[in-house]
Amino acid sequence: SAVISQKPSRDICQRGTSLTIQCQVDSQVTMMFWYRQQPGQSLTLIATANQGSEATYESGFVIDKFPISRPNLTFSTLTVSNLSPEDSSIYLCSVFAAGGSNYGYTFGSGTRLTVV
Amino acid sequence: QQPVQSPQAVILREGEDAVINCSSSKALYSVHWYRQKHGEAPVFLMILLKGGEQKGHDKISASFNEKKQQSSLYLTASQLSYSGTYFCGTGVSGSARQLTFGSGTQLTVLP
Repeated sequence: SAVISQKPSRDICQRGTSLTIQCQVDSQVTMMFWYRQQPGQSLTLIATANQGSEATYESGFVIDKFPISRPNLTFSTLTVSNLSPEDSSIYLCSVFAAGGSNYGYTFGSGTRLTVV
Repeated sequence: QQPVQSPQAVILREGEDAVINCSSSKALYSVHWYRQKHGEAPVFLMILLKGGEQKGHDKISASFNEKKQQSSLYLTASQLSYSGTYFCGTGVSGSARQLTFGSGTQLTVLP
């Protein structure tokens, strides 16, 4: 399965600033996915990042708040802009790997964001 | 719409069995199961596809009833390492790439 390096692992940010999260995959993938997991909650898909085209955002998430870059098939960034305490959460990138008789999502280790 | 998982939490002793259910209001193409330990990323356990199948590895298995839009995860002879939060993720499209995750079931295995 793919190996994902995600950084930073955690950060504490001031209100009104932005945080950019990076994900590097050890193999080329068509789509990368960005999820948010609020403390003790489930995972919510923010957007799907496709190389060479604009990201596709889920309902409730907008590009101005969560701009995404996907410059190549192994790398993506998610920026959380104009931070507020409500943005405090864990952000995870993931890829979908298909191969053999079993496949599924592989997740990065996550970025724990605290907004103060 | 988020699939419904039950129970929300379960505590059992090492060696006991547990069943976690996942139910959707939508017609499903696929169901994924993941386990997340505290402070770690979710880890893929297995996927079940439309066609009504059952899968398993080790002492963890799952079934998928597409007519009822339900899936169940079976953990037999639980080990301490099984502790964590289990999430089902449901896919409604053929690509099985976009999932909606359930609220999770917190499983605690005691010695």
